Amino acid sequence: AQSVTQLDSQVPVFEEAPVELRCNYSSSVSVYLFWYVQYPNQGLQLLLKYLSGSTLVESINGFEAEFNKSQTSFHLRKPSVHISDTAEYFCAVRDLDTGGFKTIFGAGTRLFVKA
Amino acid sequence: SAVISQKPSRDICQRGTSLTIQCQVDSQVTMMFWYRQQPGQSLTLIATANQGSEATYESGFVIDKFPISRPNLTFSTLTVSNMSPEDSSIYLCSVVEGSGEQYFGPGTRLTVT
Repeated sequence: AQSVTQLDSQVPVFEEAPVELRCNYSSSVSVYLFWYVQYPNQGLQLLLKYLSGSTLVESINGFEAEFNKSQTSFHLRKPSVHISDTAEYFCAVRDLDTGGFKTIFGAGTRLFVKA
Repeated sequence: SAVISQKPSRDICQRGTSLTIQCQVDSQVTMMFWYRQQPGQSLTLIATANQGSEATYESGFVIDKFPISRPNLTFSTLTVSNMSPEDSSIYLCSVVEGSGEQYFGPGTRLTVT
């Protein structure tokens, strides 16, 4: 069965520093990949997605993620974080070969940006 | 993108009682799902709500505990039956559009005392 591993449960970082949140998934031929963000006491928001095409995807607020098929990874990066980026980030995978439309979520990474 | 609303937004219930959560989508969608997010944890899929047929439950979830209705392509309900404190959680409705994108409702925060 498909699984998603987010290697870091918490990532503290200073404002304006770069950050990488790591995500690995079980091997599969065809997957859709997502990053969701959950700000404190708010709902889940889609941050960015990989469905097909370019392996590098970007969000409107400066985050990017790269689909690496050989390493089965979809790490999230931002070159310079802001205080307002403090949130919980969830990596998610939809296995098109076996899972239909079911999406499996990682355990989440809490990004804490310090001044 | 689909806009999803849920009712109630939060509730405090006594153990042994049941709560029905409603999910309304502003467009017709085929794929609708119910998730649970326990305090400080990730999302766990409870079931896929199928229009016109019984829901498909994931391992660890059963229809007697979490009955689901899906009367049409814009609406679904999830009932949490015979509640215990372990059912305290955020319950989320979600849809997948034809594009493959998945959206979530704002959630229902349930506290069982």
